[in-house]
Amino acid sequence: QSALTQPASVSGSPGQSITISCTGTSSDVGGYNYVSWYQQHPGKAPKLMIYDVSNRPSGVSNRFSGSKSGNTASLTISGLQAEDEADYYCSSYTSSSTLEVFGGGTKLTVL
Amino acid sequence: EVQLVESGGGLVKPGGSLRLSCAASGFTFSSYSMNWVRQAPGKGLEWVSSISSSSSYIYYADSVKGRFTISRDNAKNSLYLQMNSLRAEDTAVYYCARDVTGDPTFDYWGQGTLVTVSS
Repeated sequence: QSALTQPASVSGSPGQSITISCTGTSSDVGGYNYVSWYQQHPGKAPKLMIYDVSNRPSGVSNRFSGSKSGNTASLTISGLQAEDEADYYCSSYTSSSTLEVFGGGTKLTVL
Repeated sequence: EVQLVESGGGLVKPGGSLRLSCAASGFTFSSYSMNWVRQAPGKGLEWVSSISSSSSYIYYADSVKGRFTISRDNAKNSLYLQMNSLRAEDTAVYYCARDVTGDPTFDYWGQGTLVTVSS
């Protein structure tokens, strides 16, 4: 069981917007603004899409945005494109005995 | 160009040992914390271990604590993971990843090396 909870799958049509949630606790997501989101295509290494809740690395499309409310962080992808179809993982710093925890991942299907 | 290249994966019997390496290039290796993240076949990502730039701070996931040891050699721009007492559940692709912020945030990842623990 992953420390952070994500929906197993989400789907949307090209051009639509989707949101992926990531629920933790006050010891991780809710306690710190250190939530990241990663995109992973099959057989590839993960790619950083959002860091520190809502910051986009250079080169990442502004169609990707992040936010947080309480113990739940969210990744929103607007103007869905076929190439957005991938697995998405959230992660957060945690004050527990470990340092970092990931969500279980969400498979995004572009219909 | 930042590059991280893992090596050392392979097939090992339960209870055995393996040492993974990650060769870094294209950035000042000694300025960044580094991490190992693994992914079991068909499963999600799992953070494994982190080491600060000067090796002063080291962290492990509970699942590997006492069995795995992370280390680095800044003179050789290399990161290592010594894995002992390996179990079937350690079977995974192991990625090394650079921490850009210290939160941590993994901005660059290697291509991964597969470790298979099986008799």
